[in-house]
Amino acid sequence: AAGVIQSPRHLIKEKRETATLKCYPIPRHDTVYWYQQGPGQDPQFLISFYEKMQSDKGSIPDRFSAQQFSDYHSELNMSSLELGDSALYFCASSLRDRSSGELFFGEGSRLTVL
Amino acid sequence: AQSVAQPEDQVNVAEGNPLTVKCTYSVSGNPYLFWYVQYPNRGLQFLLKYITGDNLVKGSYGFEAEFNKSQTSFHLKKPSALVSDSALYFCAVRAPRSGGYNKLIFGAGTRLAVHP
Repeated sequence: AAGVIQSPRHLIKEKRETATLKCYPIPRHDTVYWYQQGPGQDPQFLISFYEKMQSDKGSIPDRFSAQQFSDYHSELNMSSLELGDSALYFCASSLRDRSSGELFFGEGSRLTVL
Repeated sequence: AQSVAQPEDQVNVAEGNPLTVKCTYSVSGNPYLFWYVQYPNRGLQFLLKYITGDNLVKGSYGFEAEFNKSQTSFHLKKPSALVSDSALYFCAVRAPRSGGYNKLIFGAGTRLAVHP
């Protein structure tokens, strides 16, 4: 079965650079979530989109932005990168109206800021 | 506000012995509760969930969890641990009536180490 696809899997950037992470949800899933997991930390919710509109917002820095496109893929844009942005970034997808509620996660994109 | 607590940073168990990974939650109303497992440098894999119904939920890889409303707990269990079960386990909660959106709040995680 198709899973959530994230790219790139690994990314190395310098401070103050920009980075873009991509997420392709499971086919027919209409909602995408972004999570950030720092070293030894639990995943922290950043932002989510439903039908290309932002549906919820968590602890996402103002330097970050995201959007969901007409094909339901999503991109997380990070600017003015800081050392503290080094983390594993997960994308997850689900069907909004499915009562079962679990999220399906991608393998993550590991960002290292030097 | 909803929250999840995993009181143990690490759980050590010998292979073949039963294991328990603890989780307590705080949420208004009836919670949706989940367990996920994370292997090194991998994504989160869904193990099991409690939405409603039987308090004992069975999931993947022989894991089960017991929902206890009075103790606001959702402990993960397995009758006989395997070395391959060694991983990071996250408990998560979703608030009901969240508009159909499935945003999950995760606990801090518990590292399970199963020794041969």
